[in-house]
Amino acid sequence: NAGVTQTPKFRILKIGQSMTLQCTQDMNHNYMYWYRQDPGMGLKLIYYSVGAGITDKGEVPNGYNVSRSTTEDFPLRLELAAPSQTSVYFCASVKTHGGASSYEQYFGPGTRLTVT
Amino acid sequence: SQKIEQNSEALNIQEGKTATLTCNYTNYSPAYLQWYRQDPGRGPVFLLLIRENEKEKRKERLKVTFDTTLKQSLFHITASQPADSATYLCALARGSTLGRLYFGRGTQLTVWP
Repeated sequence: NAGVTQTPKFRILKIGQSMTLQCTQDMNHNYMYWYRQDPGMGLKLIYYSVGAGITDKGEVPNGYNVSRSTTEDFPLRLELAAPSQTSVYFCASVKTHGGASSYEQYFGPGTRLTVT
Repeated sequence: SQKIEQNSEALNIQEGKTATLTCNYTNYSPAYLQWYRQDPGRGPVFLLLIRENEKEKRKERLKVTFDTTLKQSLFHITASQPADSATYLCALARGSTLGRLYFGRGTQLTVWP
């Protein structure tokens, strides 16, 4: 298994541009997440999904959109990029089995985004 | 809102000693707490999970304790090695939203020879 893959690894955007960060997992995990990590800070949840067709906001959803049309893919869309969205973005997934699940999150390698 | 504090931004210890990292939380009691390791330029990697009804968990040189009265978890690395140098993140999940984690800022551990 490749695990959780993210593309691109790096990207520079100009203010006002849009882009989609791709995330794919091949572990048949039902839960997926998008986080951002600013320097010296912990991970902040942007959006998450508990299954195909279901998404919900996290702590910092403004300026982002997501969709989950398949179990494997969970793209994150940035509309009208702003300097405040400069960050490292991580995608993660979890396989849940009800009460016995460890809820261990598997993370991708991250996308480093700079908005200038 | 949930607040999670990790004791310090950086911890430096000598090889062979035990590293102890602290995670304190406020407000809601978590259903479980997890510890992750993060190396520079990489995503976090899961290490251990401890549930609200557990006091201690061990895995090789790692030990996690959970004190719901003190609202605190301690993460120990015994016989530390330079390869243990990394940032360690504490994360907790509330019972109402299992699977959704709240992360602390992390503690950067450096183990010197």
